[in-house]
Amino acid sequence: KQEVTQIPAALSVPEGENLVLNCSFTDSAIYNLQWFRQDPGKGLTSLLLIQSSQREQTSGRLNASLDKSSGRSTLYIAASQPGDSATYLCAVRPYGGATNKLIFGTGTLLAVQP
Amino acid sequence: DVKVTQSSRYLVKRTGEKVFLECVQDMDHENMFWYRQDPGLGLRLIYFSYDVKMKEKGDIPEGYSVSREKKERFSLILESASTNQTSMYLCASTPGGAYGNTIYFGEGSWLTVV
Repeated sequence: KQEVTQIPAALSVPEGENLVLNCSFTDSAIYNLQWFRQDPGKGLTSLLLIQSSQREQTSGRLNASLDKSSGRSTLYIAASQPGDSATYLCAVRPYGGATNKLIFGTGTLLAVQP
Repeated sequence: DVKVTQSSRYLVKRTGEKVFLECVQDMDHENMFWYRQDPGLGLRLIYFSYDVKMKEKGDIPEGYSVSREKKERFSLILESASTNQTSMYLCASTPGGAYGNTIYFGEGSWLTVV
């Protein structure tokens, strides 16, 4: 059974620091992996989608990598800002079964201190 | 801009009441989903639908049902609300076809059952 883990559960950094959020998954048979941002009390916003054949995706100050063989993905945030404070979740879309189904991690709560 | 709209943001219902949560998307997406999100448990899939009048159970369908009479609308129904259904409910949608599509979420509906 696919399981997705995000460590740490919470992270606090000073403004301007570069940081890495981690996501690991137990089964490498996935179509893709997505990173999301969730602000308090709100829905999820998709940040980056990496297909299984890709190694990384970039959007502005964000860079996500995928290593399927080791079951890991990282989200790199450059030059962090207070506005980056949010919960970041990753999710994988596994092969087989209900292929529209995403498996989510429980998220990393990021606080960027001014 | 893509839009998934959940009509009720905050609801308080009594135990045993029938509850309807409505979700509308304006992107002509084939697939629609209902998740619930609880602290420490992350997002869990309740039901999804890949076409009008079609539905599939997710991981935690017990106590819920769904309705999709029109492509743009997906309703979650709690036949007899219970306190353990107090949660944040998130609706989402994706296009049909390939499995590499971004998923779009609504803002969420906070349900409290007393």
